[in-house]
This record gives sequence, structure tokens and C-alpha cells, in this order.
Amino acid sequence: AQTVTQSQPEMSVQEAETVTLSCTYDTSENNYYLFWYKQPPSRQMILVIRQEAYKQQNATENRFSVNFQKAAKSFSLKISDSQLGDTAMYFCAFMNRDDKIIFGKGTRLHILP
Amino acid sequence: DADVTQTPRNRITKTGKRIMLECSQTKGHDRMYWYRQDPGLGLRLIYYSFDVKDINKGEISDGYSVSRQAQAKFSLSLESAIPNQTALYFCATSDWDSTDTQYFGPGTRLTVL
Repeated sequence: AQTVTQSQPEMSVQEAETVTLSCTYDTSENNYYLFWYKQPPSRQMILVIRQEAYKQQNATENRFSVNFQKAAKSFSLKISDSQLGDTAMYFCAFMNRDDKIIFGKGTRLHILP
Repeated sequence: DADVTQTPRNRITKTGKRIMLECSQTKGHDRMYWYRQDPGLGLRLIYYSFDVKDINKGEISDGYSVSRQAQAKFSLSLESAIPNQTALYFCATSDWDSTDTQYFGPGTRLTVL
């Protein structure tokens, strides 16, 4: 069975700093998608970034980038120049070939002024 | 208007009551999903539907049922609510030709006393 593990339940960083959130996953499949979702206090689930497993190039969306290491089954999220509005719960997620998403338990990120 | 709406947004009910949570979408997507979010556990899939005549159980379907009344509507029912069904419930949609991207509703917070 596929699993997604986020080893950092909670993190805090100063505004403008760079922070990296860790995620590992387990699967026997070769083709799949990986995601990072953000859930602010409003509780809305917001897609931050997505990565297709067959693409070697790491995905980037403005201040958000990933370090995708397929062999190591690692998918970390880097937030550069962190802002107060980045304070949220962040979920790493994996989509298998059945188009079902499996979520990690989340990392609560606090950006401190 | 939001593309994926959920009603009600908040609900408090008593043990043994029947509860229906509704989800509507204007995105024209054929695939719809119901997730449950518990603190420290991330989101878990309850049921999903790939079209109006297709209903599938997810990871945690016991105690729940669903109805796909139309392409745009997908309802989740708790036939006899129990306190451990207290959680945040999310509906999501995706399109058959872009199944890697799911769009989430705003969530329904359900409390069972």
C-alpha cells in the first residue's frame, strides 16, 4: 500500500527566511503524481505545487519549489522568502494510477514576524 | 461564485441522527470525491464517483453512504451519526482529462454530540 510520511509535525521560521518541509512516500508504481497542498486557517485546501514522476525537472511556482528525488522517494517543499501569509498546514500528497490521492498527516508551519 | 460548494458549512447534531452533507460543482467535472480530515491524520478518502453511475468506496467508507444525483451533485450521508464521526469533511472534483488536479470545496465542520 502507498504511504506518505511527513516527519515534521510543526515548524517555525522567521519571516523572509527559507524553509524546507520534508516528505517521503512509498510506492511500487513508476508513474504517479506528487502534490503539496496548503491549508490556511480558513481551512480551504489550496494546491501549491505538483510534480509528475516521469519528469526529472523539479517543479517551481514562484517562491515555492520542490526537490524531487525519485530513487529516494523523497519530495520536499522549499519556501523562499517566507511571508506571514505562508502560515498554514501543509500536506504532501501522492496520486496513484487509480486517480486517488493519499495525503500525509501534515506539517503545521508558523511564519514569525 | 465558488466552483465547488458545500452545505452546510457547519453542523452540530446528536448521536443517532441522520445527516446529509451536500456538494455541488459548476466546473463541469465528471469526478467527485468525499474526504474526511481529522487532527493529526490528514485527509482520508471516504467515497468517490467517476461519473453519475459510478460509486466506489474509499479508505474509510464504513458508516457512510453517498448519492450522485447528477453530474454536478454528490451527497454524503451519515445514517446514524456517532461522536467519532466528528470531523471536517471535504468534497473535491476533477476532470477526466486532468485527473491529477483536484479542486476542493470549503469544507463542512460536523460535530456529533
